[in-house]
Formats: sequence, C-alpha cells, structure tokens
Amino acid sequence: EADIYQTPRYLVIGTGKKITLECSQTMGHDKMYWYQQDPGMELHLIHYSYGVNSTEKGDLSSESTVSRIRTEHFPLTLESARPSHTSQYLCASSDQGPGANVLTFGAGSRLTVL
Amino acid sequence: GNSVTQMEGPVTLSEEAFLTINCTYTATGYPSLFWYVQYPGEGLQLLLKATKADDKGSNKGFEATYRKETTSFHLEKGSVQVSDSAVYFCALPAYSRTGNQFYFGTGTSLTVIP
Repeated sequence: EADIYQTPRYLVIGTGKKITLECSQTMGHDKMYWYQQDPGMELHLIHYSYGVNSTEKGDLSSESTVSRIRTEHFPLTLESARPSHTSQYLCASSDQGPGANVLTFGAGSRLTVL
Repeated sequence: GNSVTQMEGPVTLSEEAFLTINCTYTATGYPSLFWYVQYPGEGLQLLLKATKADDKGSNKGFEATYRKETTSFHLEKGSVQVSDSAVYFCALPAYSRTGNQFYFGTGTSLTVIP
C-alpha cells in the first residue's frame, strides 16, 4: 500500500495559471524527489530535498519550484503554466541508512496545460 | 559517472512466453542494482534488487542476477502473464557530492496478450 500521496492525480488547466502539485509521505523519510516523466516514459529528476529547508535542482532544468517546510510535505509549484509543462510528475521518497537506495513513488500527477 | 542502458521496447509477448529485458550499467564501484515496474496509471514500484555481485534478486516470478563481469542486470521471467503488462525500469544509485540520487533506464514497455 502506498505511503506517499500525490494530489491531484489529473489536472487540466489553461495557460498562465498557477498550480501546485502536492506530495505527502507518512514514512518519515528525509529524502524526497520530483521526477518528470515524458511521453516516451523516460524519467528526469527535476528537484530533490535531503530534509527540511533543503532543496536542490535536478538534472533537468525546470521552471517549477519546490519547498520543504515539513518533513512529510514536498509541494511543487508552477507560477505560470505553459503547454510545454504538460507531463506526468512523480514524487518519491527514500530513507537514510540501509533503506537509502530504495525509492517509494507516489501514483503521479498528470498535468495537461491547454 | 554512473549510467544504465536498457533494452528498447516495446515488447509484445504471448501469455506463458519467456521474457528477457536487457540492462547494462556503468558504475564507479559496485552499487546496488534495481528493477522498478510501472503499471498503467500508477507510479513506479520496486520489483527487485541486488546489492552485490552474483546476487540474484527475485520477486513475483521475476529474476535478475548482478553480473560484474558483463556489467549486466537482465530481467527474466519464465512464463509471463497478462497482468505483467507494464513498463520496466532498470536503475542504480549515483553517489554525488550532496548525497545519492538515482539513474533510471529509458524504460521498456511490455504487453502480454492472451
């Protein structure tokens, strides 16, 4: 059973709107990640965090921003959505220590910008 | 740096056929290796892993052996079912200055027909 939750699962919005994709995990994991998954299925890391008040950009440049004010919560925000932001966004988390190499994923948020 | 190269799909098999999805890796040291699976409309979930050379990971009838000499971690299943239809990702961690991230292969889509 998933312990990491993403909302909304599906979102269709117009260009220029501000959107926030929510991600919450109940496992107490310090590390959290946002991946963008393109239609070809490939995953690209766009943001990650190693704990509260820690955020870093990933390998793929993204106009989105993230925050980590609480351990369990890692929202992603787009200030002004564009059609090029249409994609699936996957949130994940991992533990420290022996569990550090195992990622737990949310079900994803599929964003369509018209 | 670390990377994975994964067999391209899509792959279509008849039920009860034998499955192999190839994955080779380039890594510094001997990292753990993983296979993740993504069922339609869901996020990724860990399928199996191997933590050192010659280890065999197994789960749900799937197996993969960590082969140091050929730098491979091929996924196999002796008899696939329709319910195995999904996208499969090979992955390994990439240890960076700020901690570990993950490299994913490009994904291989499997469709099993009755």
